Amino acid sequence: NAGVTQTPKFRILKIGQSMTLQCTQDMNHNYMYWYRQDPGMGLKLIYYSVGAGITDKGEVPNGYNVSRSTTEDFPLRLELAAPSQTSVYFCASSPPGQGRTYEQYFGPGTRLTVT
Amino acid sequence: QQQVKQSPQSLIVQKGGISIINCAYENTAFDYFPWYQQFPGKGPALLIAIRPDVSEKKEGRFTISFNKSAKQFSLHIMDSQPGDSATYFCAASMRGGSARQLTFGSGTQLTVLP
Repeated sequence: NAGVTQTPKFRILKIGQSMTLQCTQDMNHNYMYWYRQDPGMGLKLIYYSVGAGITDKGEVPNGYNVSRSTTEDFPLRLELAAPSQTSVYFCASSPPGQGRTYEQYFGPGTRLTVT
Repeated sequence: QQQVKQSPQSLIVQKGGISIINCAYENTAFDYFPWYQQFPGKGPALLIAIRPDVSEKKEGRFTISFNKSAKQFSLHIMDSQPGDSATYFCAASMRGGSARQLTFGSGTQLTVLP
């Protein structure tokens, strides 16, 4: 198993540009998550999904959108990039059974800079 | 807004010493308390987790101590090794919306000197 994979690894965007961060997992996990990690701030939940076709907002959803058309893929869309979205973005997934969603498996991250 | 407060922000320990990282929470609805380990350039990885009805859990050199009345929990790394140098995040899990969610502490950067 590759686990959780994310592309790209690095990206520089100009203010106002848009992009999609890709996330794929091959563990047949129902739950998937997007976090952003800012220095000294821990991880903040942006959006999550409990299965194909079902998504919900996390703590910091503004400026982002998600979709979940398959179990494997959970892309994160940034519209009209702003410098405040400069961060490291992590995708994660967790196994079926709500009692185990503290057990999350993270991808390697995408480092995004908006200038 | 639920919060998990973590300290210290950074920690330097000699090889063979004990590393201790502390976390505190307010929301009594949290019902799992995992710790994650993150190496530079990698995503966090689950290290160990505890439920609030257990006061201590040990896995190898890693131990979580949990004090429900004080709403505090801590990670102890015994016989710390240079390979343990990483950032450690405590977290708390609760059901929110349609799924459980994790609330993370701000992280502790641990350096173990050889």
